[in-house]
Amino acid sequence: GDSVTQMEGPVTLSEEAFLTINCTYTATGYPSLFWYVQYPGEGLQLLLKATKADDKGSNKGFEATYRKETTSFHLEKGSVQVSDSAVYFCALRSLNTGFQKLVFGTGTRLLVSP
Amino acid sequence: DVKVTQSSRYLVKRTGEKVFLECVQDMDHENMFWYRQDPGLGLRLIYFSYDVKMKEKGDIPEGYSVSREKKERFSLILESASTNQTSMYLCASSNGQGRDTIYFGEGSWLTVV
Repeated sequence: GDSVTQMEGPVTLSEEAFLTINCTYTATGYPSLFWYVQYPGEGLQLLLKATKADDKGSNKGFEATYRKETTSFHLEKGSVQVSDSAVYFCALRSLNTGFQKLVFGTGTRLLVSP
Repeated sequence: DVKVTQSSRYLVKRTGEKVFLECVQDMDHENMFWYRQDPGLGLRLIYFSYDVKMKEKGDIPEGYSVSREKKERFSLILESASTNQTSMYLCASSNGQGRDTIYFGEGSWLTVV
């Protein structure tokens, strides 16, 4: 079945450091890929998405590129802020499920200190 | 903006109680979902619905049921709550069956004592 694997956290960084959170997936065909963010005490918000190979999703300084050859969708940000502290979830929607549901990774907690 | 509203943010229930978690979306979406979030396990799909009165089991449906009598409302029911159902529950909705974004509510924290 479809699955998403994320790096375990927490990831602890100082403000203005470079961020990478790794995400790899297993799915048949060409899934759509997503990063969601969950701030403390809140639900999930869509951060960015990519629907086909080599697409780059971007939002709020975060970027991720859909790499079909490595089945990866790593999240990056050039300079993190304290306000980026949150849990980040990588997810996919695939043809296996008629694109009807999301399959999530386990989440990666990011802690940014001043 | 799409709004998915979960009626209760925090609930404390006793073992054996019947629990209703309500979710309403305001964008006329066909699909609605209930997920459960637990540390180290991420989000797991309990049930989803792709139309009024239609439902399909997700990955962990045991101990839960759902109801969708109106398009905008999707209810999760715990027939007899147990302590292992203490968790964060997230409702979501989306349009159609394609690659459209799935939007989430703010979550309901349920504690069963």
